Amino acid sequence: QVQLVQSGAEVKKPGASVRVSCKASGYTFSDYYLHWVRQAPGQGLEWMGWINPNSGGTSYAQNFQGRVTMTRDTSVSTAYMDLSRLRSDDTAVYYCVRERYNSAYYLDVWGKGTTVTVSS
Amino acid sequence: DIQMTQSPSSLSASVGDRVTITCRASQTINSYLNWYQQKPGEAPRLLIYAVSSLQSGVPSRFSGSGSGTYFTLTISSLQPEDFATYYCQQSFSNPRTFGQGTRLEIK
Repeated sequence: QVQLVQSGAEVKKPGASVRVSCKASGYTFSDYYLHWVRQAPGQGLEWMGWINPNSGGTSYAQNFQGRVTMTRDTSVSTAYMDLSRLRSDDTAVYYCVRERYNSAYYLDVWGKGTTVTVSS
Repeated sequence: DIQMTQSPSSLSASVGDRVTITCRASQTINSYLNWYQQKPGEAPRLLIYAVSSLQSGVPSRFSGSGSGTYFTLTISSLQPEDFATYYCQQSFSNPRTFGQGTRLEIK
């Protein structure tokens, strides 16, 4: 079945960087864009950006420009999200999500999420 | 950026009730409107895409409608498992913004 398996929880200090991985299975990795969405505790969903696994092309939300980098390794069907210069308000659950298109673009398969805690 | 505004922010209802959640976009988004359901401690789940297309496996009591800038999600007869938070999202342009969420609680 189609799955996105994310890496485990991370605890980081302010100013550090974090890498979250997302391994895809059950479908052709290069055929679908992958998005990253985060959710701070008790808050709503915040879109961070996407990566085209085929070309490596990316698009980032303005809020994260300069701090986020999305990459992929097609040989292991894995996408990565690096977030640098972490602050306490980056504490959140980070989701990778597959996007499909059928009359509209939509996020159909979600990873279980990776909790990132930023604390001194 | 396109702003998505949901109403109400929270809603109390009973099993068997019909409920409607609205979502307004700050500019036209054609049919690029999706709905997600999220339960506590879980990842969101796609319910409806392209305004009114039901995702596979989603019960038919869920329906969506609308066009342009005004959209609705309707649950025809609430079931216990429907108490959750619902989000709309536009996929017309980047950034792919979400509404702030509507929390549906048991009355």
